[in-house]
Amino acid sequence: KNQVEQSPQSLIILEGKNCTLQCNYTVSPFSNLRWYKQDTGRGPVSLTIMTFSENTKSNGRYTATLDADTKQSSLHITASQLSDSASYICVVSRNTGGFKTIFGAGTRLFVKA
Amino acid sequence: NAGVMQNPRHLVRRRGQEARLRCSPMKGHSHVYWYRQLPEEGLKFMVYLQKENIIDESGMPKERFSAEFPKEGPSILRIQQVVRGDSAAYFCASSPDRGDRGYTFGSGTRLTVV
Repeated sequence: KNQVEQSPQSLIILEGKNCTLQCNYTVSPFSNLRWYKQDTGRGPVSLTIMTFSENTKSNGRYTATLDADTKQSSLHITASQLSDSASYICVVSRNTGGFKTIFGAGTRLFVKA
Repeated sequence: NAGVMQNPRHLVRRRGQEARLRCSPMKGHSHVYWYRQLPEEGLKFMVYLQKENIIDESGMPKERFSAEFPKEGPSILRIQQVVRGDSAAYFCASSPDRGDRGYTFGSGTRLTVV
């Protein structure tokens, strides 16, 4: 079954600290993996996208990694800011002649002063 | 170059009424996707449309829900005879082709059924 599981479900950290969010998937055939940030009441915004051959990709203080062998990805946030408080969603696309996206349930991050 | 535009941002309907949600894709995008997000839950795929065609509606409830993407104008998600359980945020995304290049979300329509 094609699934995307994220952990933890929620996380509270202090401003300035680093954190890592996890994404495990069982999607096949794999096309790409994206991380999105969704602020409360807003639509998801893409942070990174990685294909099978890419191990890591950065976008400012966000760094995503991908291990296609173990089917795991992580999103590392460095020097967190209050504005990082949001839901982070892992999305995996499979390509079977047309593409389909499978969404994880998200990790809700709270950054406190 | 405006992004994906959804309107209205907020919609309140009484039980039994109809709700119409609109999505204008980004310029040059001819593929539209609708998602529903219940409170405190993740996004769930509903339907994928290309101009004048429904490509994949595997996530659409069998009754009361319909979607269209006419040759001219925005994509419409229509919910007939709304019930309280339809209260959710409905997001639209668009892309320029069948692949997932340039996949972009709108800000959503928050539907409240009273």
